[in-house]
Amino acid sequence: ETGVTQSPTHLIKTRGQQVTLRCSSQSGHNTVSWYQQALGQGPQFIFQYYREEENGRGNFPPRFSGLQFPNYSSELNVNALELDDSALYLCASSQPNRVVGTDTQYFGPGTRLTVL
Amino acid sequence: GESVGLHLPTLSVQEGDNSIINCAYSNSASDYFIWYKQESGKGPQFIIDIRSNMDKRQGQRVTVLLNKTVKHLSLQIAATQPGDSAVYFCAENIRYGGSQGNLIFGKGTKLSVKP
Repeated sequence: ETGVTQSPTHLIKTRGQQVTLRCSSQSGHNTVSWYQQALGQGPQFIFQYYREEENGRGNFPPRFSGLQFPNYSSELNVNALELDDSALYLCASSQPNRVVGTDTQYFGPGTRLTVL
Repeated sequence: GESVGLHLPTLSVQEGDNSIINCAYSNSASDYFIWYKQESGKGPQFIIDIRSNMDKRQGQRVTVLLNKTVKHLSLQIAATQPGDSAVYFCAENIRYGGSQGNLIFGKGTKLSVKP
């Protein structure tokens, strides 16, 4: 186990609704990244937070937003849900080593979001 | 553009044989690579990583090889076991300016181990 937890496990929403997904990082990790994984595909980077600030963003519209809290837990918010937002949402926590140049990201089990 | 792709989408091996999963990457600025294993219904699990200043790294039953000349990465699993059956992803870390960067994943290779 990675020590990264996510909630809820599964979620069903309807088009146009808003959703909040939660992630608790591994102890000691100050960086959290969120990914979207469509069925049969690899994870796609949404954004990353480092010390409560957004630290990089992938090709996702502004209706995907996030927060990181002082205890390094994190939220992913998606507004105006679309059918194509149905996917597994993964968070990954890490403690980047900027000297060595590594950033091993440890993933949670994911939240399966279904948009009807 | 930036992409990580896999040569073989599916791989079937006999238990006890060695497995080799290949990956091509396109961004020469990538400086860090990770292999992940993902079982059904679970998040990706870290297997092994390698920095761009290395060409080989070994773990327990796994070896990662990096060929920067041809932008190729491979994962070798020795004495493959049924528990190794999963989808395997390679991911490259690309840094933008001073930012930490993010992981770019390929589509994955499904490894099936026959008993």
